[in-house]
Amino acid sequence: IQMTQSPSSLSASVGDRVTITCRASQSIRTYLNWYQQKPGEAPKVLIYAASNLHSGAPSRFSGSGSGTDFTLTISSLQPEDFATYYCQQSYSLYSFGQGTKLEI
Amino acid sequence: QVQLVESGGGVVQPGGSLRLSCVASGTIFGRFGMHWVRQAPGKGLEWVSFIRPDGIDKYYADSVKGRFTISRDNPRNTLYLQMDSLSAEDTAIYYCASYVAAAVGQYCFDSWGQGTLVTVSS
Repeated sequence: IQMTQSPSSLSASVGDRVTITCRASQSIRTYLNWYQQKPGEAPKVLIYAASNLHSGAPSRFSGSGSGTDFTLTISSLQPEDFATYYCQQSYSLYSFGQGTKLEI
Repeated sequence: QVQLVESGGGVVQPGGSLRLSCVASGTIFGRFGMHWVRQAPGKGLEWVSFIRPDGIDKYYADSVKGRFTISRDNPRNTLYLQMDSLSAEDTAIYYCASYVAAAVGQYCFDSWGQGTLVTVSS
């Protein structure tokens, strides 16, 4: 299953509301997770099953969607949120989107 | 959360082999599935392989099928990735990650190691 994120990169400011989109090449129901990766670090899970906030992830992160179209929203950007974000499906084996780099 | 530490990376010539290890601590290793995920320099994440808790069922990305073998030793809390017939396209940081149920029937890549760099070059 191919996962396509948009945009590939995004410039925003502290306090902005930001939305990242992930589209699957076929329906994956809600088998969709979101991860954040900062330079030189391993990824960390933010959202699981499309819309559930993982323990330890800040509440300004939220996810929605089902089927083929999903979104990750950051309600008010903080300085530590500038990173790369990946969606990942587990409906049929596993695959990641190409990533969205969020820059200042 | 489980703590994961990878090792075994290094420089290898094209066509060569390498075995990666991932040691887990802080939990009962044999309770959950484990993945290998790689990231080429400056690129995105690519899923490589998955093994179920009992070590019987194994799955591979098409890009490594037939060349890589995943295995685990639960009493030793260790995950392995045997990589054969390596090419330049396999150059990447290799991460191990635990596959844990965040809720009933809903799994995610929960804990990740720091990664180990594999460079395939002559």
